[in-house]
Amino acid sequence: AQTVTQSQPEMSVQEAETVTLSCTYDTSESDYYLFWYKQPPSRQMILVIRQEAYKQQNATENRFSVNFQKAAKSFSLKISDSQLGDAAMYFCAYMWGAQKLVFGQGTRLTINP
Amino acid sequence: EAQVTQNPRYLITVTGKKLTVTCSQNMNHEYMSWYRQDPGLGLRQIYYSMNVEVTDKGDVPEGYKVSRKEKRNFPLILESPSPNQTSLYFCASSFGQAGETQYFGPGTRLLVL
Repeated sequence: AQTVTQSQPEMSVQEAETVTLSCTYDTSESDYYLFWYKQPPSRQMILVIRQEAYKQQNATENRFSVNFQKAAKSFSLKISDSQLGDAAMYFCAYMWGAQKLVFGQGTRLTINP
Repeated sequence: EAQVTQNPRYLITVTGKKLTVTCSQNMNHEYMSWYRQDPGLGLRQIYYSMNVEVTDKGDVPEGYKVSRKEKRNFPLILESPSPNQTSLYFCASSFGQAGETQYFGPGTRLLVL
C-alpha cells in the first residue's frame, strides 16, 4: 500500500532563515504526483507546490522549492527566507491513478521572530 | 469566486443523532471527496465520487454515507454518530484528471458527545 511518512512532527526556524521539511513515500508505481499543502491556523488547506514524478527538474514556487529524489522516494520542501506567515502545519501528499490522494502525518512549523 | 463551501463549519452533537454536512463547489468539477483529519494521522479519505451517481469508499468509510445526485453537491451523512467520529472534516474537488490539484473546502469541526 502507498504510504507517506513525515518524520518531523515539529520544526522551528528563525525568521529569514531556511528550513527543510522531510517527506518519504512508499510506492511501486512509476507514474505519480507529489504535493505539499500548507494548513495555517485557519485550517484551510492551501497548495504550496506540486511535482510530477516523470519530471527530473525540481519544482519551485517563489521561496518554496522541493528536492525530489525519485530513487530514494524522498520529497522534501525547502522554505527560504522564512516569514512569520509561513507558520503552519505542512502536509506532504502522494497521488496516483485518478485522484487517489494519500497524506503524511504533517509537520508543524514554528517561525521564531 | 471559485470555491468549495461546507456547512456547518462547527457542529456539536450527541451520540446517535443523525447529521449531514453539506459540500458544494461552483467549479463544475467532476471529482469530489471527503477527508477526515485527526492529530498524528494526517488526512484520510472517507468517500469519493468520480461523477454524478458514482461514489466509492475511501480508506475509512465505516459509519459514513454519501450521495451525489447533483454535480455541485456531495453531502456527508453520519446516520448514527459516535464519539470516535469527532474530527475535522474536509471536502475537496477537482476535474478528476490524473495529477490534478484538489481544491479543499474550509473544513467542518465536529464534536460528538
